[in-house]
Amino acid sequence: QVQLVQSGAEVKKPGSSVKVSCRASGGSFTNYAVSWVREAPGQGLEWLGRVIPISTITNYAQKFQGRVTIVADKSTNTVYMELRNLRSDDTAIYYCARDGEDYVSGKYYYYMDVWGKGTTVTVSS
Amino acid sequence: SSELTQDPAVSVALGQTVRITCQADSLRSSYATWYQHKPGQAPVLVVYGQNNRPSGIPDRFSGSYSGNTASLTITGAQAEDEADYYCLSRGSDGNHLRAFGGGTKLTVL
Repeated sequence: QVQLVQSGAEVKKPGSSVKVSCRASGGSFTNYAVSWVREAPGQGLEWLGRVIPISTITNYAQKFQGRVTIVADKSTNTVYMELRNLRSDDTAIYYCARDGEDYVSGKYYYYMDVWGKGTTVTVSS
Repeated sequence: SSELTQDPAVSVALGQTVRITCQADSLRSSYATWYQHKPGQAPVLVVYGQNNRPSGIPDRFSGSYSGNTASLTITGAQAEDEADYYCLSRGSDGNHLRAFGGGTKLTVL
């Protein structure tokens, strides 16, 4: 069973950038996308975007367009998420997750079934 | 605000049944996926598709649909079910994007 191993906690200054990695251990991302989701203190889960490693196609939530970049390195089964121009409200736990979709009985469903343990990013001056 | 609407909080007596709902226009043409999220842990997928549970998820968790509303029902709630619950479906920006509901905090009394 594939596991997603994320990089360690980061402390950043406002205006700087952070790059978080997510490596597939015991498998690969073949046939799946990888999504990034965050949870800020006192807030709910928020989807930032995703990459399809086999094609490098990316999709981003409108809120983060222009400020986030998600890339995949197929040679190392690693996906990276970079968030730029950090603000204090970007302080959150950032998760990567294996992302899939299927079509059953005339409808799509979307799922994230394998999750990393999360990376805490703290933005503070 | 979230594109998928959930009640912020729900409570249930131990052993009783509780329904958590998720409302969105996208649910007329796509299914919801439900997650259980406890502090300090990664979210856990509990129900997906029409009404499917991953291996290891108790059968007291089930999903259903009516119009633009998806529901997660816990039949015989246990103390360990106390958590935040989120629905996931398609975002409004296109067929391949994702969006979470605002989350429902479930308290088991």
